[in-house]
Amino acid sequence: DTAVSQTPKYLVTQMGNDKSIKCEQNLGHDTMYWYKQDSKKFLKIMFSYNNKELIINETVPNRFSPKSPDKAHLNLHINSLELGDSAVYFCASSQLQGGEQYFGPGTRLTVT
Amino acid sequence: AQKITQTQPGMFVQEKEAVTLDCTYDTSDPSYGLFWYKQPSSGEMIFLIYQGSYDQQNATEGRYSLNFQKARKSANLVISASQLGDSAMYFCAMTLTGTASKLTFGTGTRLQVTL
Repeated sequence: DTAVSQTPKYLVTQMGNDKSIKCEQNLGHDTMYWYKQDSKKFLKIMFSYNNKELIINETVPNRFSPKSPDKAHLNLHINSLELGDSAVYFCASSQLQGGEQYFGPGTRLTVT
Repeated sequence: AQKITQTQPGMFVQEKEAVTLDCTYDTSDPSYGLFWYKQPSSGEMIFLIYQGSYDQQNATEGRYSLNFQKARKSANLVISASQLGDSAMYFCAMTLTGTASKLTFGTGTRLQVTL
């Protein structure tokens, strides 16, 4: 019954590795997002997709690549992980652009 | 570009009392939405309440109400009858409507409810 789910919940990996985080929503929403929450709890948008089309791409390194195979899924692939990538990554979805967004449980990424 | 300011890094309130968490925003766009989210220590982000810039009345959801003062560009969250379970980080956020939307967040306020 989970509305927005993410896997994995925790991810510990070494510098230089490539990893993916998956997100799925069963709310029937058209728009999905990735946010990054840093160690000071600050949340910042990374990407947004509307019906599988990329509509927001904030200043994010090219090592981060989102993919939306369908409007219910939005995955985040990260290449060549760096220490500074350690953060909590949240997926979210909304029915309308500008409407309330519902967040997944977050993925805590630790790069060692 | 829009900006959200939360000036209270931490707040204490006694159980059963009301508390106001401050939020001011800045945008030149006339059409926007304001949100409050709760993040308990378990880490999830929980949507609490929404106010549209054209809404005439202040939004309310149970014990949560949003004190929207458009001229002052403020959107304070009022929690009535605080409970221990209200202890959490609270984030104010905004988005512009009708565009590729993204939530712009404030830095958050950590609320601690005491006995």
